[in-house]
Amino acid sequence: EAGVAQSPRYKIIEKRQSVAFWCNPISGHATLYWYQQILGQGPKLLIQFQNNGVVDDSQLPKDRFSAERLKGVDSTLKIQPAKLEDSAVYLCASRDGQRGGTDTQYFGPGTRLTVL
Amino acid sequence: AQSVTQPDIHITVSEGASLELRCNYSYGATPYLFWYVQSPGQGLQLLLKYFSGDTLVQGIKGFEAEFKRSQSSFNLRKPSVHWSDAAEYFCAVGANNNDMRFGAGTRLTVKP
Repeated sequence: EAGVAQSPRYKIIEKRQSVAFWCNPISGHATLYWYQQILGQGPKLLIQFQNNGVVDDSQLPKDRFSAERLKGVDSTLKIQPAKLEDSAVYLCASRDGQRGGTDTQYFGPGTRLTVL
Repeated sequence: AQSVTQPDIHITVSEGASLELRCNYSYGATPYLFWYVQSPGQGLQLLLKYFSGDTLVQGIKGFEAEFKRSQSSFNLRKPSVHWSDAAEYFCAVGANNNDMRFGAGTRLTVKP
């Protein structure tokens, strides 16, 4: 079974530029998450999708971050404009989501963003 | 509000020695508890999880963890560490696998 795919793996941009990250979850997984992991910290949930609907985006900085999951499969996370403090690893995770919440979240390798 | 504390930022153990990584949580109800491992440049991999039932949970790679409600702890243990266990370990608490809160992580170094 293929895992969660993310691209690009690395991205370097200057502040105030825009950037987008892509995630392809495990086939058939209804629930998709985006996390932000700042160096030296644990991952922090940004947004959760169930199919193509948003379940929780309470920690997403909506003035600059946006995310979508068209057709309930792939997802894109965008930052516009980027700030220095957005430098982090952005992790995508997915899970089946059909079994009452006890199933496992599977994480992708992440995209490491550096904002200069 | 739920939170997780991993008191040890960095631990060094010798190969073959036993390991215990500490995790304390704050949660208003019966928590869902998880331990993940992250190797450099890799995503997180689930080692084990506790939802209910037996408080001693067996995971992959020879790891186990014990849920102690009275101490609000979920410590991870391994009887004999291998060099390949060197990585970052994260404890997490959540409600029904959603809204997971992660600790800051413990970095494990294994000495030959």
